[in-house]
Formats: sequence, structure tokens, C-alpha cells
Amino acid sequence: AQTVTQSQPEMSVQEAETVTLSCTYDTSESDYYLFWYKQPPSRQMILVIRQEAYKQQNATENRFSVNFQKAAKSFSLKISDSQLGDAAMYFCAYRRGGGGADGLTFGKGTHLIIQP
Amino acid sequence: NAGVTQTPKFQVLKTGQSMTLQCAQDMNHNSMYWYRQDPGMGLRLIYYSASEGTTDKGEVPNGYNVSRLNKREFSLRLESAAPSQTSVYFCASSERQPPDGYTFGSGTRLTVV
Repeated sequence: AQTVTQSQPEMSVQEAETVTLSCTYDTSESDYYLFWYKQPPSRQMILVIRQEAYKQQNATENRFSVNFQKAAKSFSLKISDSQLGDAAMYFCAYRRGGGGADGLTFGKGTHLIIQP
Repeated sequence: NAGVTQTPKFQVLKTGQSMTLQCAQDMNHNSMYWYRQDPGMGLRLIYYSASEGTTDKGEVPNGYNVSRLNKREFSLRLESAAPSQTSVYFCASSERQPPDGYTFGSGTRLTVV
């Protein structure tokens, strides 16, 4: 079974600074997808960024980028120019590739605090 | 707005009571999912449905049943609620290929006393 590990229960960063959230995963598959989700206090799950394992190029979405190291099974999220609205729980998630309807496997999350 | 709608948003049950959580999506997605989220944990998959008429167990199915009523609706039933089922429940939907992402409902906070 796949596992996703987020080793940082909580991180704190000054507004406008850069922060990196860590995620490692374990899988025997070669085809898979990785995601970062944001969960603010409203409880809504919001997709931040996704990465296909077969793509070597790291995904980027505005201030959010990932460092995908397939051999090391590492998938970290970098948030640049942190804003107060970035404060939330962040979950790393894995999904097996292929045409099936597999659900996501989540890590336990990192609580991100933004200091004004 | 298009998306996933869950009802109710909050519910308190007594041990042994039954209830059904409702979920509907209007994005014409084939696949639907039920997750639970407990404090200090990520979301864990309870059941999923790859398409209308099919359902499969996820990581934590014990104590739950599901029904894929049609392509839009996927319900989760607790037949005899237990305090261990106190949690926040999320419904989600997606297309199978490629997985552009999963759209989540806003969650149901369930307390079993």
C-alpha cells in the first residue's frame, strides 16, 4: 500500500518570506500523480498544485512550486512571498496512475502559520 | 455554482442511531468518493464509486454503507452510529483519466454522543 509522510506538523513563516513544506511517499508504481491541497479554516479542500510522475519538469502555479525528486520519492511545496491568506493546513496526496478510479492517499498535513 | 454539494453540514447523533449523508455533483464526473478526516490525520478513504452502479471499499469501510443512486448522487449511511465515527466527512468527485484533481464538498461535521 502507498503511504504519504509529512514530517512537519507545523511550520511558521514571516509574511513575504519563502517557506518549503516537505512530503515523502512510498510506492512501487512508476506511473502516479502527486497533489498538494490547502485546507483553510473554512474546511474546504482546495487544489494547489499537481505533478505527473512521468514529467521531469517541476509544476508551478504562480507563487507555488514543487520540487519533485522521483528517485528520492520526495515532493516538497515551496510558497514564495507568503501571504496571510496562505495560512491553512496543507496536505500532500498521492494517486496511482492508469485509468482506474482510485482515491487519493493523504499525508497527515502541515499546519502553516503566517506571521504578520 | 458547479461543484459538490453535501448535506447536512452538521449533525449530532446518539450512539446506535442511523443516518445518511447525501452528496451530489453537477460536473458529470464518473467517480465519486467518501472520506473521513479525524484530528491530526489526513483524509482517509471510506468507499468510492468508479461509475454508476459500482462501489468499492476504501481504507476504512467498517461501519458504513454506500449507494450510488445515479451518476450525480452518492450517499453514505451509518446504520448504527458509534462514538468512533465522530469525524468530518467529505464527499469528492473526479474524472478518472486524467485526474485533473478531485473536487471536494464542504464537509459534514458529525458528532456521535
